[in-house]
Amino acid sequence: DSGVTQTPKHLITATGQRVTLRCSPRSGDLSVYWYQQSLDQGLQFLIQYYNGEERAKGNILERFSAQQFPDLHSELNLSSLELGDSALYFCASSALLSGNSYNEQFFGPGTRLTVL
Amino acid sequence: AQTVTQSQPEMSVQEAETVTLSCTYDTSESDYYLFWYKQPPSRQMILVIRQEAYKQQNATENRFSVNFQKAAKSFSLKISDSQLGDAAMYFCAYRGSQGNLIFGKGTKLSVKP
Repeated sequence: DSGVTQTPKHLITATGQRVTLRCSPRSGDLSVYWYQQSLDQGLQFLIQYYNGEERAKGNILERFSAQQFPDLHSELNLSSLELGDSALYFCASSALLSGNSYNEQFFGPGTRLTVL
Repeated sequence: AQTVTQSQPEMSVQEAETVTLSCTYDTSESDYYLFWYKQPPSRQMILVIRQEAYKQQNATENRFSVNFQKAAKSFSLKISDSQLGDAAMYFCAYRGSQGNLIFGKGTKLSVKP
């Protein structure tokens, strides 16, 4: 158990819908990363938050957004869902912003999203 | 932009034997970290081993070791005395100054009894 929790574990929805994925980082971790794992794109970085502020963006679609709340949990919002959005969405947390220090990312169990 | 390449989509090894998974990467940064992650059928991402680029000594964790060749930008994983529980997808990952992980496409490792 990494200490990172994600809910729900599974989510089945229809095209055009909107869903919210939730992540609670390890106690004390300020940084949250979201990754998407799909058959087409593999594992790719979406977005990072640190202590409530967006710090880095990867290949995140405009239909997707995220935020990190004062209690440090994070939510990933996916809207106007398409079939191709079906994937496993991971959240990872780390203690620091990064810099040049070793800063292990601990992964949650993921949320499997199926868009029908 | 940094890239990570795993050229072996699938590998197979006999139980108790040794197998090496390959990984190459491209970067213009001089300071970075490299990782191998294991993803079993449960889909949990498990850190296997890490290597700091500034360290010349290859990292070792029990049966797992790496061959880090910085000039060649190569980072291979050697699994010794392979066990059935080692069967999984293995991902090579790079982390640079930005902080996020960049993953290769993965290598599916099968272990034959």
